[in-house]
Amino acid sequence: EADIYQTPRYLVIGTGKKITLECSQTMGHDKMYWYQQDPGMELHLIHYSYGVNSTEKGDLSSESTVSRIRTEHFPLTLESARPSHTSQYLCASSDPRGAGETQYFGPGTRLLVL
Amino acid sequence: AQSVTQLDSQVPVFEEAPVELRCNYSSSVSVYLFWYVQYPNQGLQLLLKYLSGSTLVESINGFEAEFNKSQTSFHLRKPSVHISDTAEYFCAVSYTGFQKLVFGTGTRLLVSP
Repeated sequence: EADIYQTPRYLVIGTGKKITLECSQTMGHDKMYWYQQDPGMELHLIHYSYGVNSTEKGDLSSESTVSRIRTEHFPLTLESARPSHTSQYLCASSDPRGAGETQYFGPGTRLLVL
Repeated sequence: AQSVTQLDSQVPVFEEAPVELRCNYSSSVSVYLFWYVQYPNQGLQLLLKYLSGSTLVESINGFEAEFNKSQTSFHLRKPSVHISDTAEYFCAVSYTGFQKLVFGTGTRLLVSP
């Protein structure tokens, strides 16, 4: 069973605030991902990382940034939150040594920007 | 571009009835296929996956899916659903060499008594 954690689970914040969404995994997976999911919609990949000091933009353009200083930690930051950032953010990780690179997901952070 | 199609956005069904959730993907030489389930206000949980071998894969809670290469499909089935199966179901494909998952738009399964 996968162990991947996200905090906070819910966040309500005002426009212009800086926020960081935390994601940690204890499985030693090299690859980590951030997805954005609007209610009732598909998942869109916004960032991914192949390992420490590696970050890449995903398929959906996002104003957020990510960092990967430690294998287990992959935080996402919004420098100035706006109402258009309201969404659910899902973090995932996978082991590239595993066949098919199954991705394991955290519980998500539901963000509301007022 | 690679894509996954889930034709049904919502599937209503009565408890104990059978259900099929459809998934088709754009063709490729080699793929890995996944079904994930998302309960309200939660993240995605892996339900089952096809990597290789037998084309019929099963989950621990009674779901099964069959990989059909000729029809590029990976439909999810359950012979008798429970109220607790109410959730959003996402089909996903990993194309070898691309190292990323491509998700479908999801199917909401609504089980009523």
